[in-house]
Amino acid sequence: DTGVSQDPRHKITKRGQNVTFRCDPISEHNRLYWYRQTLGQGPEFLTYFQNEAQLEKSRLLSDRFSAERPKGSFSTLEIQRTEQGDSAMYLCASSFRRSSTDTQYFGPGTRLTVL
Amino acid sequence: AQSVTQLGSHVSVSEGALVLLRCNYSSSVPPYLFWYVQYPNQGLQLLLKYTSAATLVKGINGFEAEFKKSETSFHLTKPSAHMSDAAEYFCAVSDSLRAAGNKLTFGGGTRVLVKP
Repeated sequence: DTGVSQDPRHKITKRGQNVTFRCDPISEHNRLYWYRQTLGQGPEFLTYFQNEAQLEKSRLLSDRFSAERPKGSFSTLEIQRTEQGDSAMYLCASSFRRSSTDTQYFGPGTRLTVL
Repeated sequence: AQSVTQLGSHVSVSEGALVLLRCNYSSSVPPYLFWYVQYPNQGLQLLLKYTSAATLVKGINGFEAEFKKSETSFHLTKPSAHMSDAAEYFCAVSDSLRAAGNKLTFGGGTRVLVKP
């Protein structure tokens, strides 16, 4: 068990540029979640995959955001035409439904700074 | 809809003293409740979880929490604080009745400072 990994750990970009983040879940986990955490706040849910299907999206996920999980393994989160308000930590979590608990294990996050 | 309120955005305790972090939740369905810890520039690590079994839940690093339905609370305690407990702590709730996917709703967090 190597844990959830995310790449890159830090990203600095200029307003208007596109960025893409990657998340590799724990290998047997079939569920994958994305959250966003702004400074001084708790994480907020963005979207959720079960295998390759994106089953739920938050209203926070504007049309500039898109997430994919091809083949039900790693996932990418793309932000187009970044805005300064997109600056945040983007967290990925994964889980496996052995029981009804569905405990989520988090990666280290990608910190995005939009200048 | 579910929500979580953590009373006190900052808590300062002396090393060796009791740590008490308060969490109140709102949920229209039976909840699952979680406490996570976050160290600077890191992701969240699960401390403990309540999943409708025992109401007193023991977690890692000497932490425990008690589910009180009548008070809609899930407060986190540790009898004796250690310097390594300095971090931010998040309480979270999810819907126990969802069949597919349990998104977490987090509180705003409580930052713990441990004084020597």
